[in-house]
Parts: sequence; structure tokens; C-alpha cells
Amino acid sequence: DTEVTQTPKHLVMGMTNKKSLKCEQHMGHRAMYWYKQKAKKPPELMFVYSYEKLSINESVPSRFSPECPNSSLLNLHLHALQPEDSALYLCASSQSRGLELAKNIQYFGAGTRLSVL
Amino acid sequence: AQTVTQSQPEMSVQEAETVTLSCTYDTSESDYYLFWYKQPPSRQMILVIRQEAYKQQNATENRFSVNFQKAAKSFSLKISDSQLGDAAMYFCAYRGNNNDMRFGAGTRLTVKP
Repeated sequence: DTEVTQTPKHLVMGMTNKKSLKCEQHMGHRAMYWYKQKAKKPPELMFVYSYEKLSINESVPSRFSPECPNSSLLNLHLHALQPEDSALYLCASSQSRGLELAKNIQYFGAGTRLSVL
Repeated sequence: AQTVTQSQPEMSVQEAETVTLSCTYDTSESDYYLFWYKQPPSRQMILVIRQEAYKQQNATENRFSVNFQKAAKSFSLKISDSQLGDAAMYFCAYRGNNNDMRFGAGTRLTVKP
């Protein structure tokens, strides 16, 4: 099973709403990632979790709050978003073997298409 | 900071023909990994091929192969016997010691029947 599952597939929210994106994998991977992808652009890394601890935060605004409650789950909590935050949000996971994290293949989910009105 | 450049926003190829997608990168690291990912219209990113920088031998995966030129910092993808299902956005990606992944801008490949 090489599947990363993201829910919901589509989400429409207002600027005052609070919502969460969910990502799940059962491959035993201990590194998980959030990316943001605008239309016709490459994915941009937002956060990296390694062994359930936040290891990289690419200067993402605080209205995005990641959470890794266990080794299989990754959430992205959204609050007070702006219309420019509308994008495809991709989750990925990979094995994590210490300093050799870089060589491990990232498996991506299908993404959540977020629209902020 | 590492940068990845894909200079071809769009490419097209005739079915059964061969096409090469270009990628260059900039880094001061000696050990790193390079990837080609494919993103069909269905959105899911799928790994096509991976190359370790310390290996001189070019990676191959069935119809997909790379031409890795470390000194020139070039990492092109060759698709042989192109199929309609190869149509997608292709991203070149770099991953170094700080564990983040940098993607190029992408090349949209069209396959003509």
C-alpha cells in the first residue's frame, strides 16, 4: 500500500471560518509534509514533520497551524484565511532514517482543493 | 539556496516517439538527490525516477531514463516510446541535506496520437 489519503477533496470556506485538512498514511513512514500548490505552479513546501515533531516551517503565516497527532496522521488547521490562500494543498510522506531523509521517496496524496471566499 | 530551473514550459511529442525534458539546478552541496515527478490532470504527484548525485550511472525505469551531468548541474529526462498516458506536468526536484524539496516550474507534456 503506497497510498496517502487526503480529506476532503474540495473545501470552500469563508475568511472567518475554521476548518481542518486531514492526511493519513499507513506505510509506516515517519516523515510527513504539507505543500501548497497554486495553479500552474510547482508545489511549495510549507511544513515537515519528522517522528511527529515539526522540523521545518517555511515561514508560513500563523493562520496555518499543522498538527501531527500520531505517526499516521497529519492535520492542517486553517483559520482566518485570505482569498490568496486558495490553492491545492498536497500532503506527502516518506521514510525517515535520520540524516538520510533526503534520499527517501515522497509519496503524495491527491490533494485538497481549497477555495477561500 | 538551491534553485531548480526547467526552461521548457511546454513540450509536445508524437505517440511512440522520444522526447527529452530539460532541468538544471544550482547547489553548493556535493551530496543530494534529484527526482522527476509527474502530475497528471488528476493532480496526484507520482514519482517517475530518482538519481543519487554520488552515482555516476544514469538512472533508468523502463521507458524513462535520465542524463545526469553533475559538473554541468543538468538532469534531463528522456521518455522513449511515448504513450498517451504520459501526458502530464513534469516537475524536476532537488533534495539536499536540509531535507526540503525544491521543485522546478514544471514542463507540460502533450502527447499527440
